[in-house]
Amino acid sequence: NAGVTQTPKFQVLKTGQSMTLQCAQDMNHNSMYWYRQDPGMGLRLIYYSASEGTTDKGEVPNGYNVSRLNKREFSLRLESAAPSQTSVYFCASRGDPNSNQPQHFGDGTRLSIL
Amino acid sequence: GNSVTQMEGPVTLSEEAFLTINCTYTATGYPSLFWYVQYPGEGLQLLLKATKADDKGSNKGFEATYRKETTSFHLEKGSVQVSDSAVYFCALEQAGTALIFGKGTTLSVSS
Repeated sequence: NAGVTQTPKFQVLKTGQSMTLQCAQDMNHNSMYWYRQDPGMGLRLIYYSASEGTTDKGEVPNGYNVSRLNKREFSLRLESAAPSQTSVYFCASRGDPNSNQPQHFGDGTRLSIL
Repeated sequence: GNSVTQMEGPVTLSEEAFLTINCTYTATGYPSLFWYVQYPGEGLQLLLKATKADDKGSNKGFEATYRKETTSFHLEKGSVQVSDSAVYFCALEQAGTALIFGKGTTLSVSS
């Protein structure tokens, strides 16, 4: 019972490099989310996808792009990484956003940008 | 806009002590309220939730009551254990939108 799987778990990049963070869920959920977690800031929403084929900006979308590849997969891309994007990135999913079902989180990707 | 404020940590307690982590919110309408827990090196897990005023969420000995009159959802546990050491996040959600999180409170319990 995998739930939400994120890859990679750790990554170090140099400024200006690009990278795609992968997320997949096996719970047949409609909605998927990307958050970043920074010390003293809690989790902040980067982008979300309410259903397959749709994506919307969250609180902190600048510097990121997303792709909802299919119902299972939602990737986050950094086109030109900056040190300010050093963070822990969490993917989450949920079934029906109007039913008060909780979000299920992956274990995170720890990204350092030098 | 909507927001969540929770007490800053770290909170350091001895085993079997009583725990309270305060959480207050600002929102229009009637949001759903949640407590999530994050153990070291892991993602967030739902601890408990409440979807309407006066609801009490409970799980693993933790409780929180949705108080609309004070816009609060304080987390309590009567007797903490070392295994409860983690970061606790209060969050709200309104009308199917994404979660809005507080900044998190680190709890450290020693034996």
